[in-house]
Amino acid sequence: QKEVEQNSGPLSVPEGAIASLNCTYSDRGSQSFFWYRQYSGKSPELIMSIYSNGDKEDGRFTAQLNKASQYVSLLIRDSQPSDSATYLCALNLDSSYKLIFGSGTRLLVRP
Amino acid sequence: SAVISQKPSRDICQRGTSLTIQCQVDSQVTMMFWYRQQPGQSLTLIATANQGSEATYESGFVIDKFPISRPNLTFSTLTVSNMSPEDSSIYLCSVGYMNTEAFFGQGTRLTVV
Repeated sequence: QKEVEQNSGPLSVPEGAIASLNCTYSDRGSQSFFWYRQYSGKSPELIMSIYSNGDKEDGRFTAQLNKASQYVSLLIRDSQPSDSATYLCALNLDSSYKLIFGSGTRLLVRP
Repeated sequence: SAVISQKPSRDICQRGTSLTIQCQVDSQVTMMFWYRQQPGQSLTLIATANQGSEATYESGFVIDKFPISRPNLTFSTLTVSNMSPEDSSIYLCSVGYMNTEAFFGQGTRLTVV
């Protein structure tokens, strides 16, 4: 079983809709969780971090963490074509900066 | 967050040669890492670059193939040695900044022919 699992997609949503991206993980000792956005040919860009159960909102983005169920999700409200990218879920196990990445979900926002 | 500069941004190299990638940060950082992203794949951690001591390598990566230097708290290099086409990847420098958040340089796209 992979440590971090994501649906590869593509997830296709119309402009203005809510995009929901999901990630599950296997190690209950995971401490911190991150969502990165990666445009084609570019490096990953950190968009959200979440450390405790519940929701964390930042602009159009909401990260949700449920440690009991071992999943973390990212909601993007009012999706824009510029949100089209691959979204990488990442976590670390031991409060270090070493990250374990999922394979990423490709999001396509249709104009 | 820190400004992380990597160079070269891309290179095409002959098999059997070596390439050294540089990572420069605009402020002192404790933690620096090197990742690899193979075509169509996600990121895999190669090693932690330790200042003043040998790097700590992840399973599947060895010092002879990927020697790393970290002479100070703002600079690191990764060398990809004796390259083969399988080494064609994007290599990314990462720094740990605060609250365990990590940020990436712009990456080095390596093609081995």
